[in-house]
Amino acid sequence: GAGVSQSPSNKVTEKGKDVELRCDPISGHTALYWYRQSLGQGLEFLIYFQGNSAPDKSGLPSDRFSAERTGGSVSTLTIQRTQQEDSAVYLCASSLQGQESYNSPLHFGNGTRLTVT
Amino acid sequence: DQQVKQNSPSLSVQEGRISILNCDYTNSMFDYFLWYKKYPAEGPTFLISISSIKDKNEDGRFTVFLNKSAKHLSLHIVPSQPGDSAVYFCAASAYSSASKIIFGSGTRLSIRP
Repeated sequence: GAGVSQSPSNKVTEKGKDVELRCDPISGHTALYWYRQSLGQGLEFLIYFQGNSAPDKSGLPSDRFSAERTGGSVSTLTIQRTQQEDSAVYLCASSLQGQESYNSPLHFGNGTRLTVT
Repeated sequence: DQQVKQNSPSLSVQEGRISILNCDYTNSMFDYFLWYKKYPAEGPTFLISISSIKDKNEDGRFTVFLNKSAKHLSLHIVPSQPGDSAVYFCAASAYSSASKIIFGSGTRLSIRP
């Protein structure tokens, strides 16, 4: 398929453990976002990668959260020493966002549901 | 600091009538606005967008209106159909600077028969 792929779709982990969430964006998309949606809440911005620019990490809630994007394609979001409040759906999205792609919206994956017990 | 606000968490509309979803923003640098629709257990999907050079954009049953002076936009769905029942997110960005896209908290729309 040509869509954004996220894995795993579900992850249950014990408090204090580290987790890695993976996102495969649409090929050729220069922009990649991570958002999370906690139960009953809206979409909370976490981090934004655009081409070769330094990522915008302004939404990361604590230093336990980090993300990288290797080779301008696949991205991993890592949460260290997970806490119960980290339980949420983590959504990845990509787009052709840029000066030549004004009308390119975000394409979302189906998310990873993280449950910290 | 919530830059994009959807003050109505839920809305119920009768099938066939008009649904109006509202969104307010605070950042005057925003120049590109989008609406997304989300079903349970799926990622949001793009619905319609508008740039700040326009005040209206229409696509079939969906129309987005932008009032820049009031920093307000709305999504009109007419006629409303059962399949429109979903959570709708408003989003905005300062597109001219390729900045991040900020989402509102969403409005759950329910279409009743």
